[in-house]
Amino acid sequence: KQEVTQIPAALSVPEGENLVLNCSFTDSAIYNLQWFRQDPGKGLTSLLLIQSSQREQTSGRLNASLDKSSGRSTLYIAASQPGDSATYLCAPPPDTDKLIFGTGTRLQVFP
Amino acid sequence: SQTIHQWPATLVQPVGSPLSLECTVEGTSNPNLYWYRQAAGRGLQLLFYSVGIGQISSEVPQNLSASRPQDRQFILSSKKLLLSDSGFYLCAWSVRGGRAGETQYFGPGTRLLVL
Repeated sequence: KQEVTQIPAALSVPEGENLVLNCSFTDSAIYNLQWFRQDPGKGLTSLLLIQSSQREQTSGRLNASLDKSSGRSTLYIAASQPGDSATYLCAPPPDTDKLIFGTGTRLQVFP
Repeated sequence: SQTIHQWPATLVQPVGSPLSLECTVEGTSNPNLYWYRQAAGRGLQLLFYSVGIGQISSEVPQNLSASRPQDRQFILSSKKLLLSDSGFYLCAWSVRGGRAGETQYFGPGTRLLVL
């Protein structure tokens, strides 16, 4: 059974800092790895999807890396802004139909 | 473009009462549909998923059930709510037969409080 751990659980930083969010998983036989953002009381928004054959994906100030063999993914956020404040969730599904989520990293970026 | 709707947005129900949450998707056909629950202080948990009308797979034994009466409609139900059913319920869809490069798209959620 896939188990997903995200570290840190919470993070509070001043704006402008470069951030590193970590995700580790126990079963490396994943279909892909996805990072989502969840604003308080809202649904999830997909940020990045790394296919199992890829090592990283970039979208704007976000970069996600994947090391399947060690069961790790890292989300880098460059030059953080207050609008980045949200909970970030990673999901390394074992197949295309089922997402298994970590408990998330709650990020607060203050001006 | 595709959109996904959930209602109600918020619901307060007494223990033992029935439940019906609805999710509809627009702008796509034959989607996979999912129900997730997010309990306070816990991660998202997949409850049910469906690959077609009348086809429901349950991921965890519980007090809830799901139905898919139409291609783009997914309903989450309970005959008698428990306190432990409180949480944030999210519906999601994905392309059927999706490949490794495709994700799931989430609705705005329903916050359920059972008292």
